[in-house]
Amino acid sequence: QKEVEQDPGPLSVPEGAIVSLNCTYSNSAFQYFMWYRQYSRKGPELLMYTYSSGNKEDGRFTAQVDKSSKYISLFIRDSQPSDSATYLCAMSPYNNNDMRFGAGTRLTVKP
Amino acid sequence: NAGVTQTPKFQVLKTGQSMTLQCAQDMNHEYMSWYRQDPGMGLRLIHYSVGAGITDQGEVPNGYNVSRSTTEDFPLRLLSAAPSQTSVYFCASSYSTESYEQYFGPGTRLTVT
Repeated sequence: QKEVEQDPGPLSVPEGAIVSLNCTYSNSAFQYFMWYRQYSRKGPELLMYTYSSGNKEDGRFTAQVDKSSKYISLFIRDSQPSDSATYLCAMSPYNNNDMRFGAGTRLTVKP
Repeated sequence: NAGVTQTPKFQVLKTGQSMTLQCAQDMNHEYMSWYRQDPGMGLRLIHYSVGAGITDQGEVPNGYNVSRSTTEDFPLRLLSAAPSQTSVYFCASSYSTESYEQYFGPGTRLTVT
């Protein structure tokens, strides 16, 4: 069983929809949670970072962490075609050396 | 700032050949790392460095060597390429080991035949 599970999709939504992306994990020691966005043929870029449980909002993006359920989510409001990318969740108990990534969910937002 | 740069963008190797993937950053970051990305799997850490002269193994180090003689450069060497090393390789850097904002390079697509 993988430490981090992420539905690969693909996920296709119309422009303006609310998108929900999710990851589950098995290691209860994870306490740092990140979401990366990766455009086709590019390197990942950090989108959101959350420590421990709770919500964090940044513009149209909201990250949620539920440590009791070992479940994290990324919500995208008013989705745009420019949001079309693969979204990777990542998490770590301590630092970058112990980080584990999900396989990524490919999202397409259709105009 | 160029950020993190990687060369080459693409490479095809025959089994048994060796090569070096180059990585450089101009942000004066202490922490640098190499990942591989395979379909259906998350990014996996190969090797990392916390500063010039200091390197260590990550999750999947076998078949790879690294060195770090300067803060800016962190090359990854494939000693004897195998088809299982066909992957996309990303170099990343961050201010420190505990700084979770890692900056990734554009990647090198490697095929081993």
